[in-house]
Amino acid sequence: DIQMTQSPSSLSASVGDRVTITCRASQVISNWLAWYQQKPEKAPKSLIYAASSLRGGVPSRFNGSGSGTDFTLTISSLQPEDFATYYCQQYESYPLTFGGGTKVEIK
Amino acid sequence: EVQLVESGGGLVQPGGSLRLSCAASGFIYSSYAVGWVRQAPGKGLEWVSGISGSGGSTYYADSVKGRFTISRDNSKNTLYLQMNSLRAEDTAVYYCAKYCSSPSCYFDYWGQGTLVTVSS
Repeated sequence: DIQMTQSPSSLSASVGDRVTITCRASQVISNWLAWYQQKPEKAPKSLIYAASSLRGGVPSRFNGSGSGTDFTLTISSLQPEDFATYYCQQYESYPLTFGGGTKVEIK
Repeated sequence: EVQLVESGGGLVQPGGSLRLSCAASGFIYSSYAVGWVRQAPGKGLEWVSGISGSGGSTYYADSVKGRFTISRDNSKNTLYLQMNSLRAEDTAVYYCAKYCSSPSCYFDYWGQGTLVTVSS
């Protein structure tokens, strides 16, 4: 199975800050990586697919990069509505696996 | 607008069974793979099972293989998860999710989830 490791597990940031979340796969997954945002008591929402492609309607302050085993989600200027938990997921092979999540909290 | 609405969750005793349903609308249902992802209380996301658009291919996490069965009825635009021999560790919110195309894809839409509690 491919293990997905996210870091940090949580972070505190202020509105306007630049935030970077990393995700590492235990083996090469090319660019078969997605990012999701989940707010408390809500379903996950798809943000980015194919490592760097933004889903329609997702603000351009979200940026995904990386290939192979190392990936990054960057929020260029954190907004109040961005405080949430973020998950990466590989879809290179089964079983599909998610990272442990990164909780972005208000400083 | 894509909508996925789960139902069937509830409280069940260890060893019991439950069937979840997910009613889909807003897309050509038979053309897309769909699946289930769960989230235990206070924990992260865990993929559970997936099924191709035709229903001919199914996929399971090792943690549920042999106990859960995924199926779909394309005439009713509905996805099912039959859960047998339930354990306490199956307690979670179960989300129905649509793959972007085939089962080798990410999840582009999610339902609101249904809570399954396994407890005596």
